[in-house]
Amino acid sequence: QSALTQPASVSGSPGQSITISCTGTTSDIGDYNFVSWYQQLPGKAPRLIIYEVIYRPSGVTDRFSGSKSGNTASLTISGLQAEDEADYHCASYTSSASVVFGGGTKLTVL
Amino acid sequence: QVQLVQSGSELKKPGASVKVSCKASGYTFTSYAINWVRQAPGHGLEWLGWIHTNTGNPTYAQGLTGRFVFSLDTSVSTAYLQISSLKAEDTAVYFCAIETLVNWNFDYWGQGTLVTVSS
Repeated sequence: QSALTQPASVSGSPGQSITISCTGTTSDIGDYNFVSWYQQLPGKAPRLIIYEVIYRPSGVTDRFSGSKSGNTASLTISGLQAEDEADYHCASYTSSASVVFGGGTKLTVL
Repeated sequence: QVQLVQSGSELKKPGASVKVSCKASGYTFTSYAINWVRQAPGHGLEWLGWIHTNTGNPTYAQGLTGRFVFSLDTSVSTAYLQISSLKAEDTAVYFCAIETLVNWNFDYWGQGTLVTVSS
């Protein structure tokens, strides 16, 4: 199972919106809504910020939103803040009854 | 509150074995499967598989060699990941994680255990 494809890095200025894409196949993102996004601060464990494509766990700011179209999922962060600077990972359930992650995207807040 | 607390960092020589523990608290241990995820230095996350905490039945990611073994001790609410015949490329941070909201979406994670394999 090949890793999902994410851009290595994205950047934005405070207050702006950015979108991180996550491209898979018809065997994962395209066929299931078990798509999740994780925020990882340096030296820390990942933190779930979006599950089942569009849902936010309790306590996660509504500046984070998720969507999906075909084989591509997207994470949008609006009103960018310095504290959003982190690595972001997408993940999807697959037809092999497994989980595949993306390579991760480093977000820089300029 | 739900907590997953992992064992400390390990430095091992090639060919040795290591056993990483993940102790759960704040919930009924057998309610959720334990997943294992690793992250090599400077790389993304890689799902290694999961273990059913009721039956102890492990499921390993495709391509994962037999050097990786998941196990449980339900009497102390602890899951284990053992890696044998360690190689330099096993150097990574290993995480345990559970999904309490919905399957395949991991909402609680251990703090991670760094395993370094070096001669």
